[in-house]
Amino acid sequence: QKEVEQNSGPLSVPEGAIASLNCTYSDRGSQSFFWYRQYSGKSPELIMSIYSNGDKEDGRFTAQLNKASQYVSLLIRDSQPSDSATYLCAVGPPYNQGGKLIFGQGTELSVKP
Amino acid sequence: NAGVMQNPRHLVRRRGQEARLRCSPMKGHSHVYWYRQLPEEGLKFMVYLQKENIIDESGMPKERFSAEFPKEGPSILRIQQVVRGDSAAYFCASSPQGGYGNQPQHFGDGTRLSIL
Repeated sequence: QKEVEQNSGPLSVPEGAIASLNCTYSDRGSQSFFWYRQYSGKSPELIMSIYSNGDKEDGRFTAQLNKASQYVSLLIRDSQPSDSATYLCAVGPPYNQGGKLIFGQGTELSVKP
Repeated sequence: NAGVMQNPRHLVRRRGQEARLRCSPMKGHSHVYWYRQLPEEGLKFMVYLQKENIIDESGMPKERFSAEFPKEGPSILRIQQVVRGDSAAYFCASSPQGGYGNQPQHFGDGTRLSIL
């Protein structure tokens, strides 16, 4: 079992729709969870961080965390063509066990005009 | 520019040469991380450093790779005797705190290493 799993996609949604990206992780002790966006040939860009169960909203983005199910998701409302990118789920270590992030393989999102 | 600075952006080396990749963290950040992204693969952790200390090098290949973050100057990732399989994008990230705070890591633009 991979430590962090994402559907590779591509996920295709029409402009204006809600895009839903999912991620599961294996280490129950993980304390921090991040979503990064990576355009082709570019570096990862942090878009959301979440540490507690529930929802966290920032503009058109909502991150959801369920530690019991070991599940993290990212919702993108009113999707735009400029949202087309690969979205990386990253999971931090258990508390006080260093700082390395474990990344999923990424989900490629395509927003069609 | 207050972001994570990496140089060079592109680096071409012949097999057997040495590659040195540099990273200056964001202002106010004292924790540096190196990741590697091989073609068509995900980001993989290599090493985590604070000033003058290697905190976690569990992702570093056992041979040819080394990293440092001296008291003065940038963090350096050094690859000796490069081979074709070292061709990848190498990203540096920094955070204000490390494992205790699990603060978000911010990435530099990366160094694209090509081995001829």
